[in-house]
This record gives sequence, structure tokens and C-alpha cells, in this order.
Amino acid sequence: AQRVTQPEKLLSVFKGAPVELKCNYSYSGSPELFWYVQYSRQRLQLLLRHISRESIKGFTADLNKGETSFHLKKPFAQEEDSAMYYCALKWGAQKLVFGQGTRLTINP
Amino acid sequence: NAGVTQTPKFRILKIGQSMTLQCTQDMNHNYMYWYRQDPGMGLKLIYYSVGAGITDKGEVPNGYNVSRSTTEDFPLRLELAAPSQTSVYFCASTSGLAGGEETQYFGPGTRLLVL
Repeated sequence: AQRVTQPEKLLSVFKGAPVELKCNYSYSGSPELFWYVQYSRQRLQLLLRHISRESIKGFTADLNKGETSFHLKKPFAQEEDSAMYYCALKWGAQKLVFGQGTRLTINP
Repeated sequence: NAGVTQTPKFRILKIGQSMTLQCTQDMNHNYMYWYRQDPGMGLKLIYYSVGAGITDKGEVPNGYNVSRSTTEDFPLRLELAAPSQTSVYFCASTSGLAGGEETQYFGPGTRLLVL
């Protein structure tokens, strides 16, 4: 069965420090992975998807099929990056399975 | 263009009561979804729909029902509410078109407390 694991529920780093939010997946098919973000008092929204290989707000994520990972990285954290981050795997009829989420806090 | 809207924002139910959570999208999306999010957990799919008149179960459908009579609306019905259904409920939609954008757009959520 498909599964997404985010091992860190909480992650706290200082402003300007590098950030890495971990995501591992289990899926027998060809994976399509996404990172969604929820800022305080806002709705869940797409941050980036592995297919487009884009960088959004300084964040990047590379799909590593050998390690079944899709870690989210940013070289220099900013205070506005504080949010809840969810890794998600697409399967079936455009369905998503989500990880448990990581609450990222950027300290000034 | 309001996107995905949900009502109510918050509701308290007594055990055994029933209610309908409303979800509407104005993006002409074919696919719609209902998720629940329990504290400290990720979102779990309850039901989904690939078009008007078509619905299917997700990961945690027990205790819920849905209908999809129009493209815009996808209500979630709770019959005989139980404390285990205390959660935050999110509705989402996506176009579902081949080659189209795959982003799921989410509503603001409905917080439900069953006492």
C-alpha cells in the first residue's frame, strides 16, 4: 500500500540556517510527489511538485527513487517560512496520500 | 472566483446527531475530495468524486456519506455522530483533466467537535 512518512513532527531552525524537511514514501508504481504548505490562518496550498522541478520561495525538492525520498530543502531559512508542511504522494484517480506533517519554526 | 468554500467553519454536535458539511467550488473542477485531519496526523481521504453522479470511498469512509448531484457541490453527511468523528474536515478539488493541472485546491476547513 502507498504510504508517506515525515519523521519529524517539529523542526526548529534559526533564520539564515539551512532547512531540510524529510519525506519518505512507499509506492509500487511510478511516484508523483508534492509538498503542500499551510501558513498560519491560511488554507493548505501547493508549494511544489517533483515533476516541474521548480524552485518556489527558495525551496527545492528532488525525488530520489533509490532512497524513496522527496526531501524539501532551502539553503537560508526566513521567518516567513514558519508553517506546517505536508508531503503527499499521488496515486489512483488523482488521489493523494499525505504524511503526518512537519511544523517548521524559524527562530529570529 | 472564490475557489473552494466550506460551511460551517465550526460546529459542535451531540453524540447521535447528524449534519451535513457543505463544499462548493467555482472552478468547474471534475474531481472533488473530502479529507479529515486529526490532531498530529496527516490528512486522510474520506470520499472522493470524479464527476457529477460518481462517488467512491477513500481510506476512512465509515460513518460518512456523500453525494455529487452537480459539478460544483460535494456535501459530506455525518449520520449518528460519534466522538471519533471530532476532527477538522477539508474539501478539495482538482480539474482531473488529462494533461491538466494536478494541484488540489483546498477549502478553509470545518472544525467539528462531537460531545
